[in-house]
Amino acid sequence: QQPVQSPQAVILREGEDAVINCSSSKALYSVHWYRQKHGEAPVFLMILLKGGEQMRHEKISASFNEKKQQSSLYLTASQLSYSGTYFCGTERSGFQKLVFGTGTRLLVSP
Amino acid sequence: DTAVSQTPKYLVTQMGNDKSIKCEQNLGHDTMYWYKQDSKKFLKIMFSYNNKELIINETVPNRFSPKSPDKAHLNLHINSLELGDSAVYFCASSQQPGLAAISYEQYFGPGTRLTVT
Repeated sequence: QQPVQSPQAVILREGEDAVINCSSSKALYSVHWYRQKHGEAPVFLMILLKGGEQMRHEKISASFNEKKQQSSLYLTASQLSYSGTYFCGTERSGFQKLVFGTGTRLLVSP
Repeated sequence: DTAVSQTPKYLVTQMGNDKSIKCEQNLGHDTMYWYKQDSKKFLKIMFSYNNKELIINETVPNRFSPKSPDKAHLNLHINSLELGDSAVYFCASSQQPGLAAISYEQYFGPGTRLTVT
């Protein structure tokens, strides 16, 4: 089952903050986050492992609540380059694959 | 140097035809993947190979047949193409060792946009 992301889309002005959520109905081992710009390939941002620490990539950070099977991506002081579609990829223990979420479109305007 | 490359970038063909997409990675990774991204941007895994061995084979029609001649290459052959096969197909690779948990990042190729008319 595909993880659900919220919101589906968000528009920000440069410098504003945003939170993207990823929720699964299954117990998770890890959560990956990727960003895909229009017409391009997904690019890795970070991995959160069960029992691991909160991760950070530049001004983007993420957390993973294992009990709730949820992960959140925090974009701080957004930049124009943050625009794109963000996907979470979830992994269940024993399943050697990522199941990607529904995606969140982010548009940062000047 | 391109890490993960795919050919062709665009593929337009008619229903019923057979086509192939090629993928190569020069990262020395052990695991390669094929993903399909549909018009709604949903990204779904199709296959994964580790050192030429098939690891993941999702519920994909038999018309799709992956082949890995060596660990740096993973090709996808599609027989009897249908309209619903139209999508962007991404190849990816990672250091992922076989059946271990996926704790390594995946590097995606630029994608092949397949249009079936």
